[in-house]
Amino acid sequence: NAGVTQTPKFQVLKTGQSMTLQCAQDMNHEYMSWYRQDPGMGLRLIHYSVGAGITDQGEVPNGYNVSRSTTEDFPLRLLSAAPSQTSVYFCASSWGQTYGYTFGSGTRLTVV
Amino acid sequence: EDKVVQSPLSLVVHEGDTVTLNCSYEVTNFRSLLWYKQEKKAPTFLFMLTSSGIEKKSGRLSSILDKKELFSILNITATQTGDSAIYLCAAAYSGAGSYQLTFGKGTKLSVIP
Repeated sequence: NAGVTQTPKFQVLKTGQSMTLQCAQDMNHEYMSWYRQDPGMGLRLIHYSVGAGITDQGEVPNGYNVSRSTTEDFPLRLLSAAPSQTSVYFCASSWGQTYGYTFGSGTRLTVV
Repeated sequence: EDKVVQSPLSLVVHEGDTVTLNCSYEVTNFRSLLWYKQEKKAPTFLFMLTSSGIEKKSGRLSSILDKKELFSILNITATQTGDSAIYLCAAAYSGAGSYQLTFGKGTKLSVIP
């Protein structure tokens, strides 16, 4: 049971480049979310999904897109990377309201 | 605006001390309060609290929720160096079929020998 798997673990991008952060879970969780973690800011919600084909914006969605074509996968796309998107990104999934969220190990992204 | 406030933001204690971490919240459609421990990588789940006044325990860690006063505490007794981590508090809320977490900024605990 792999849990929540994020790839890559580290990435350096140049300003203006695009890329996709991958997230996959093998627990058949309906709920999935993306967070970014910055020093002194805690974890902030970027986008979330309540099931395949259903996504919505969180607290800080600008500059990011998501899609959920399957229950297992929830990729996060950076459209045109900016230095302000330098952060650690976490994907998380859950069964629902009576369960906690399980987090992936994170992707450390640096935009130069 | 939904918010979760943790205090203190950092704490340094000696091994064997007992610590209390605080979390207050103001969240619309509140469902539960969760505590996570974050060492080098992913936050790992500690507790989910849904009812007031019922203490949850796991070894030297315990937590309780007060839904009237909108706060929770996490206690760690007989601290060890392995307890050094960032402790995150999150308020879970729901609405229109969703279920999301709002996190506090965390308390960085350092336990020195």
